[in-house]
Amino acid sequence: DAMVIQNPRYQVTQFGKPVTLSCSQTLNHNVMYWYQQKSSQAPKLLFHYYDKDFNNEADTPDNFQSRRPNTSFCFLDIRSPGLGDAAMYLCATSRATPSYYYEQYFGPGTRLTVT
Amino acid sequence: AQSVTQLDSHVSVSEGTPVLLRCNYSSSYSPSLFWYVQHPNKGLQLLLKYTSAATLVKGINGFEAEFKKSETSFHLTKPSAHMSDAAEYFCVVRGGGATNKLIFGTGTLLAVQP
Repeated sequence: DAMVIQNPRYQVTQFGKPVTLSCSQTLNHNVMYWYQQKSSQAPKLLFHYYDKDFNNEADTPDNFQSRRPNTSFCFLDIRSPGLGDAAMYLCATSRATPSYYYEQYFGPGTRLTVT
Repeated sequence: AQSVTQLDSHVSVSEGTPVLLRCNYSSSYSPSLFWYVQHPNKGLQLLLKYTSAATLVKGINGFEAEFKKSETSFHLTKPSAHMSDAAEYFCVVRGGGATNKLIFGTGTLLAVQP
């Protein structure tokens, strides 16, 4: 089945220690998104890639970076995690043309704990 | 600007009874609307979508939603709740512009009692 895969499902890191979360997809979608979801809140978009073009949300902290080495993979790097960065991180993908975006499909998420 | 308001933060039903999760939207043009479901510690699953075709939209797992322009509503319904329906439900509208940004409601937590 075509899907969005996130690894690991649970990640524990120490305060200030860089961490990388991974997302891969078999849907061959050209757009990939990263969301942060804190407890009992709606997901918040951090950034997205349209093909290789990176689009950052205005309020995303500089501590969050992303890489997309190819169509299938996208990484979320947190350079110096703080306690406030503990959250569920969701990856999503969608197909898009220059004039239309289709619905987004989400991965299962990575639960990040910062100690 | 696009927005959605989920009118209930918590809904509790008994197994086998109907489900109604309410959502109102605000949009300056014909919206694209979605319902997503999120089970505990899981990602979001698309239940159904409205993109200006039929106003009654059927989704997965027996859910459906009706787009009512006159009431600016997109309520989610299911005739008979199942224990496995217990989850958080998000009503979502697609924002304008070129980014396909999703505007999420605050979520409705559905509890299903045996």
